[in-house]
Amino acid sequence: AQTVTQSQPEMSVQEAETVTLSCTYDTSESDYYLFWYKQPPSRQMILVIRQEAYKQQNATENRFSVNFQKAAKSFSLKISDSQLGDAAMYFCAYRTVDNYGQNFVFGPGTRLSVLP
Amino acid sequence: DTGVSQDPRHKITKRGQNVTFRCDPISEHNRLYWYRQTLGQGPEFLTYFQNEAQLEKSRLLSDRFSAERPKGSFSTLEIQRTEQGDSAMYLCASSLPRASFGTQYFGPGTRLTVL
Repeated sequence: AQTVTQSQPEMSVQEAETVTLSCTYDTSESDYYLFWYKQPPSRQMILVIRQEAYKQQNATENRFSVNFQKAAKSFSLKISDSQLGDAAMYFCAYRTVDNYGQNFVFGPGTRLSVLP
Repeated sequence: DTGVSQDPRHKITKRGQNVTFRCDPISEHNRLYWYRQTLGQGPEFLTYFQNEAQLEKSRLLSDRFSAERPKGSFSTLEIQRTEQGDSAMYLCASSLPRASFGTQYFGPGTRLTVL
C-alpha cells in the first residue's frame, strides 16, 4: 500500500522569505500523480500544485514550486515570498493513475506559520 | 462558481444516535469521495462513487457507516449508533475521471461531535 510521510509537523517562515516543506512517499508504481493541498484554519482544502510522475520537469504555480525527485520518492514544496495568507496546514497527497483505487493517500500534514 | 457543498457544516449528537450528512458535488463531476479527518491529521479515505455505483470502500467504513448516491448526483453518508470515536470532520470531494490528473475538489466538510 502507498504511504505518504511529512516529517515536519510544524514550520514557520518570516513574511517575504522562502520555505520548503518536505514530503516522501512509498509506492511500487512507476506512474502516479502527486499533489499539495492547503487547508487554512476552518476553511476548505484547496489545491496548490500537482505533478505527474512521468514528467521530469518540476511543476510551478506562481510563488509555489516543487522539487520532484522520483528515485528518492521525494516531493517537496517551495513557497517563495511567503505571505500571511499562506499560513495553513499543507498536505501532500498521492494518487495512482490506475482506474482502480481512485482515492488520494494523504500525509499527516505540516502546519505552516507565517511571521510578520 | 458552484463548488462542492456539504450540509450540515456542524453536527452535535449524543452517542447512539444516527446522523446523516449530505454532499453536493460540482455538477459535471461523476466521481465522488468521502474522507474522514481527525484533528491534526490528513484526510483518510472512506468510500468512492462513480456515478451511482459505489466502487470502493475502506476498511475504516464499518457496518455502522453507509453511503449512497442514488441518482449519481448528491450523496449521503449515514452513521448509525454513533460512538465518540466517530467525532471527526467528514469531507466530500468530487472529480472528473480523466481531466486534470483526476484532481479532487473538496467541500468545506461536516464537523461531527459525538457527546
